Amino acid sequence: DAGVTQSPTHLIKTRGQHVTLRCSPISGHKSVSWYQQVLGQGPQFIFQYYEKEERGRGNFPDRFSARQFPNYSSELNVNALLLGDSALYLCASSLTWTAKNIQYFGAGTRLSVL
Amino acid sequence: GENVEQHPSTLSVQEGDSAVIKCTYSDSASNYFPWYKQELGKGPQLIIDIRSNVGEKKDQRIAVTLNKTAKHFSLHITETQPEDSAVYFCAASKGVKRGGGADGLTFGKGTHLIIQP
Repeated sequence: DAGVTQSPTHLIKTRGQHVTLRCSPISGHKSVSWYQQVLGQGPQFIFQYYEKEERGRGNFPDRFSARQFPNYSSELNVNALLLGDSALYLCASSLTWTAKNIQYFGAGTRLSVL
Repeated sequence: GENVEQHPSTLSVQEGDSAVIKCTYSDSASNYFPWYKQELGKGPQLIIDIRSNVGEKKDQRIAVTLNKTAKHFSLHITETQPEDSAVYFCAASKGVKRGGGADGLTFGKGTHLIIQP
């Protein structure tokens, strides 16, 4: 069975640009969460979506947005990129929306902002 | 919000010895505590989790203990093997925030476990 898939694997952008990252959850999972992992740190919660609705949001600025599609895949959008947005962006899928459900992570998208 | 502290940041043990990683959390409402293993170039992989109604859980060479009163939990790996070398993260969550809404996982900063042959 396919796990969580994320695309692209690597991305290079310049300051001020916009980026879209994509995630496909495990088949049967209806919830997708996004995390930002800065080098040397633990992942930090950005958003959780369930059945196309935002169910949770971490402490990130409005430049970060996301959406979930009818097939449960998801996009994370970041506007007006800053150097500090350089990180590994992880997508996790779970059966339902509470964090008590096991979250399975993808390999991530490595974003470099120059 | 929740704060999770993890120690040590680096742990080097001889192959076959045991390794212990400790975490503390700040929010007494947290009730779910997973541990993840992250290898280079990969996403975190769940290795064991524990819920607040349980004090200890074991899965082969891996065990986790939870002390709700002291708000700390620990990962124990026995008979360590070279393939155990990785970065380990603890995390905590309430599941649902006060007032509704999903509470994501709050992670510690990670422990780099090195197994010396």
